[in-house]
Amino acid sequence: EVQLVESGGGLVKPGGSLRLSCAASGFTFSDAWMTWVRQAPGKGLEWVGRIKTIGEGGTTDYAAPVKGRFTISRDDSKNTLFLQMDSLKTEDTAVYYCTKHYNILNYFDYWGQGTLVTVSS
Amino acid sequence: DIQMTQSPSTLSASVGDRVTITCRASQSISSWLAWYQQKPGKAPKLLIYKASSLESGLPSRFSGSGSGTEFTLTISSLQPDDFATYYCQQYDTYLTFGQGTKVEIK
Repeated sequence: EVQLVESGGGLVKPGGSLRLSCAASGFTFSDAWMTWVRQAPGKGLEWVGRIKTIGEGGTTDYAAPVKGRFTISRDDSKNTLFLQMDSLKTEDTAVYYCTKHYNILNYFDYWGQGTLVTVSS
Repeated sequence: DIQMTQSPSTLSASVGDRVTITCRASQSISSWLAWYQQKPGKAPKLLIYKASSLESGLPSRFSGSGSGTEFTLTISSLQPDDFATYYCQQYDTYLTFGQGTKVEIK
């Protein structure tokens, strides 16, 4: 059974940093493209960024609102995905979901339960 | 960037109704479209991929159609478990989501 379990969310002040983790199991993590998607309270879904496999160079792509502030990485030895969030803004407040791509297509067959990040003074 | 527009934003329906949600893309995306269902406090769940392929294990009352710029998600006979918010998502060029359609009880 595929499982994605996010952790690391919490309350942080504007300008602060936070690192989210996503522990994966039930599939070959090293073969999977992974993405972070976020959802602000009462709002829709927003793509944050994607990481390809290490075999493909671990290439990352980011949405414009987070580019230069957020960094996605992966540790295939621990089947874990990370999202390093720096220079946080109030508009980054959201539930952050870890998702698994279906093969190398940009849609998602599995989602984690999400972790809430609140940016507030 | 490709924009995705869903209509309606909210839909009131009764159990047993046939429900149709529309998703329009700002440019052609061929059939690179997925649909997700999200219930309050839960993660989205994949329903449909490649515009019309039903995810394994899901009931056949869900169907998708369309290509190019116009797509529909149809629920043939709405069940109590189907009251939720539905999102379309294009994956032709990177990816973008529609704004969502909430299906509520009439």
